[in-house]
Amino acid sequence: ETGVTQSPTHLIKTRGQQVTLRCSSQSGHNTVSWYQQALGQGPQFIFQYYREEENGRGNFPPRFSGLQFPNYSSELNVNALELDDSALYLCASSLEGWGANVLTFGAGSRLTVL
Amino acid sequence: GQNIDQPTEMTATEGAIVQINCTYQTSGFNGLFWYQQHAGEAPTFLSYNVLDGLEEKGRFSSFLSRSKGYSYLLLKELQMKDSASYLCAFKAAGNKLTFGGGTRVLVKP
Repeated sequence: ETGVTQSPTHLIKTRGQQVTLRCSSQSGHNTVSWYQQALGQGPQFIFQYYREEENGRGNFPPRFSGLQFPNYSSELNVNALELDDSALYLCASSLEGWGANVLTFGAGSRLTVL
Repeated sequence: GQNIDQPTEMTATEGAIVQINCTYQTSGFNGLFWYQQHAGEAPTFLSYNVLDGLEEKGRFSSFLSRSKGYSYLLLKELQMKDSASYLCAFKAAGNKLTFGGGTRVLVKP
């Protein structure tokens, strides 16, 4: 089975620009979550998508938005980029339902905002 | 409120044992996870505890005490490849995980 794949792996933007990050979930998984991981810190929950709808959101402003597509892949969009948005953005997929719902993470997209 | 705490860094010698402690506070609890993350790579799942007690999986074991809001990850027979960050996280509702800051473990020869 294929794992979680993310693109691009690295990108550089300037303040005020917009960015779109993409994620393909693991085969058989129907739920996608996005996390932001600043250097030297643990991942912070941004939001989760299930059945193409946002199904939980962390403490992030509305300029962070997302989509989930019928094939369960997902996008994270960030508008009006700020310097503090520089981080590793991790996508994780899982299977919604009973049980541990272990998250499978992708390798991440490292965003640098100058 | 919710919070989770773990030490920032630990150093141990190859072949030794290291215990990484994690304390948490949350009103709802649906499990405690440990992930390993090598520098520049994705976090990978190590263990899951939802009931009190010890779960053993090869060289790694994880313990949970729900009444104390406490967990630990025990790494035995340390190898150089175990040098990584170890992330503790609890699940309160849905699939959202609340992570600690991570414990960077450095294994020395």
